[in-house]
Amino acid sequence: GQNIDQPTEMTATEGAIVQINCTYQTSGFNGLFWYQQHAGEAPTFLSYNVLDGLEEKGRFSSFLSRSKGYSYLLLKELQMKDSASYLCAVVDSNYQLIWGAGTKLIIKP
Amino acid sequence: ETGVTQTPRHLVMGMTNKKSLKCEQHLGHNAMYWYKQSAKKPLELMFVYNFKEQTENNSVPSRFSPECPNSSHLFLHLHTLQPEDSALYLCASSQDGADPKEQFFGPGTRLTVL
Repeated sequence: GQNIDQPTEMTATEGAIVQINCTYQTSGFNGLFWYQQHAGEAPTFLSYNVLDGLEEKGRFSSFLSRSKGYSYLLLKELQMKDSASYLCAVVDSNYQLIWGAGTKLIIKP
Repeated sequence: ETGVTQTPRHLVMGMTNKKSLKCEQHLGHNAMYWYKQSAKKPLELMFVYNFKEQTENNSVPSRFSPECPNSSHLFLHLHTLQPEDSALYLCASSQDGADPKEQFFGPGTRLTVL
């Protein structure tokens, strides 16, 4: 079967750095997405990785290792507004998106 | 209006009711999706339409019936639902369903079935 694993919940302090991990087992791989979803709102696109390595976009970076079936989202200089759920999703060999259950990130002052 | 819009935002219905959810995208995309989001569970893909043709139906019960009259509009018709169907129903669109790059989501309809 296909499976995406990410921690259910994480807590971090304002101004700090947090890394949210995602591991996957899917039938094929055609890319990995990270989305942010604030409570009661639509998921919004953060990043897309298809090649190994680190993609940096402002305070957010996303890393991919295809050989390990592993990705992480790195959030720096955390702000209170970063409190949200972070969804990992993998595009499989049929170009279907397989979603993780999301990681709820709580930022404390 | 810009992006992806959904109506209604909240819906409460009895098990014998018939209702419809509406989604509209103003992005010129060719693919539209219905997802079900339940608490602490992964997004469940329900239906995919690509160029108005249904390309995916992930074993969704027949009490959910999609309709895509054109590439900008998507409906989800609901009838004789069960309490376990209570969830957030999200609509999304992308440029091409055969190669899903970034998907743009609507705000969702929070459905409660009594």
